[in-house]
Amino acid sequence: AQSVSQHNHHVILSEAASLELGCNYSYGGTVNLFWYVQYPGQHLQLLLKYFSGDPLVKGIKGFEAEFIKSKFSFNLRKPSVQWSDTAEYFCAVKNGNTGKLIFGQGTTLQVKP
Amino acid sequence: EAGVAQSPRYKIIEKRQSVAFWCNPISGHATLYWYQQILGQGPKLLIQFQNNGVVDDSQLPKDRFSAERLKGVDSTLKIQPAKLEDSAVYLCASSQRPDYSYNEQFFGPGTRLTVL
Repeated sequence: AQSVSQHNHHVILSEAASLELGCNYSYGGTVNLFWYVQYPGQHLQLLLKYFSGDPLVKGIKGFEAEFIKSKFSFNLRKPSVQWSDTAEYFCAVKNGNTGKLIFGQGTTLQVKP
Repeated sequence: EAGVAQSPRYKIIEKRQSVAFWCNPISGHATLYWYQQILGQGPKLLIQFQNNGVVDDSQLPKDRFSAERLKGVDSTLKIQPAKLEDSAVYLCASSQRPDYSYNEQFFGPGTRLTVL
């Protein structure tokens, strides 16, 4: 069965530190990959997405992610985090054939000012 | 453009009671999804509609959960009777095009259900 695994459940960083959140998925077919973010008190919103082409994807607010097919990974990165990046981050995989979206369990990021 | 609307935002009920949630998707979006998000977990798809037809309800506990999307626009999700383990946030999402093409799901604010 298709699944998504996020390596870190809770990450605490100081402002200006670099961020990398791990995401691995299990599915051998065509996939579309997403990172969603949920800021405190707000609804889920799309951070970035990969469908095809350049495996390095740039999203909003300085985030980027790299799709490595051989490792079944789609890690999220940001060179310098801000206090406003405090949120919960979800990696998701969409089965390209059925369209079903599978989420990881989420990573809570806390950025200390 | 207006986002996905959901109501109520919060609901507290006792076990064995029934509850209903309402969702109004973004105008023109043909696909509508209901997700269940239990605390500490990612959202899990309960049911997916394409217009007013069900595409996927494989993870919907059909003995107690039901959903409908009459006229292919807004939708209701019902739980009857509720159990303690149904305490969760229920998210509604919509997307513009059939789900097998390049499209993004837009999420509503969710309904937080507490079952006592």
